[in-house]
Amino acid sequence: DTAVSQTPKYLVTQMGNDKSIKCEQNLGHDTMYWYKQDSKKFLKIMFSYNNKELIINETVPNRFSPKSPDKAHLNLHINSLELGDSAVYFCASSQQGLGNTIYFGEGSWLTVV
Amino acid sequence: GENVEQHPSTLSVQEGDSAVIKCTYSDSASNYFPWYKQELGKGPQLIIDIRSNVGEKKDQRIAVTLNKTAKHFSLHITETQPEDSAVYFCAATDDKIIFGKGTRLHILP
Repeated sequence: DTAVSQTPKYLVTQMGNDKSIKCEQNLGHDTMYWYKQDSKKFLKIMFSYNNKELIINETVPNRFSPKSPDKAHLNLHINSLELGDSAVYFCASSQQGLGNTIYFGEGSWLTVV
Repeated sequence: GENVEQHPSTLSVQEGDSAVIKCTYSDSASNYFPWYKQELGKGPQLIIDIRSNVGEKKDQRIAVTLNKTAKHFSLHITETQPEDSAVYFCAATDDKIIFGKGTRLHILP
């Protein structure tokens, strides 16, 4: 059973399009995250939600809009895609509070052409 | 905020030799230091972690050391094997977790 699952795994789309990546965790965690990993492998947090409430927003363009319908789901919607949005996006989850293991999904490879 | 520096960015070691990856952090309030391994095409996975009240922790072939005074911590892998080839990330936590920029480890046959 996959603990953190995200779809789609691969996404190729044209500039200007709007796309969504979905994420679900079955670990019973309270906190979920979106991370962006660029071509140099740098991992940067984008958003963090705790019990459906946004707690971290790391100066991400407002073209990125996360939505958490319940604490097991955190979806990422991206409007007006740009070339620079091409990256791997990782969903993750953890128990509430610092010092808890973060469990990552397998990643969604987004290519904007 | 916290800043984590990780070195080297790339490391090649002969199979069977040891590998060491080093990280420094800036915020003395950080108290939790995990290490993640990312294999090709996968998400990062926790391999070992250490908290600020401990100086060293071992788990089979991997060990982590922490020097709070100097604000640095290191990952040690002994008797390296081909399956150790991956990208390794250190991280430090104050009010949120901050990752280092990663080390690509190559195990040479």
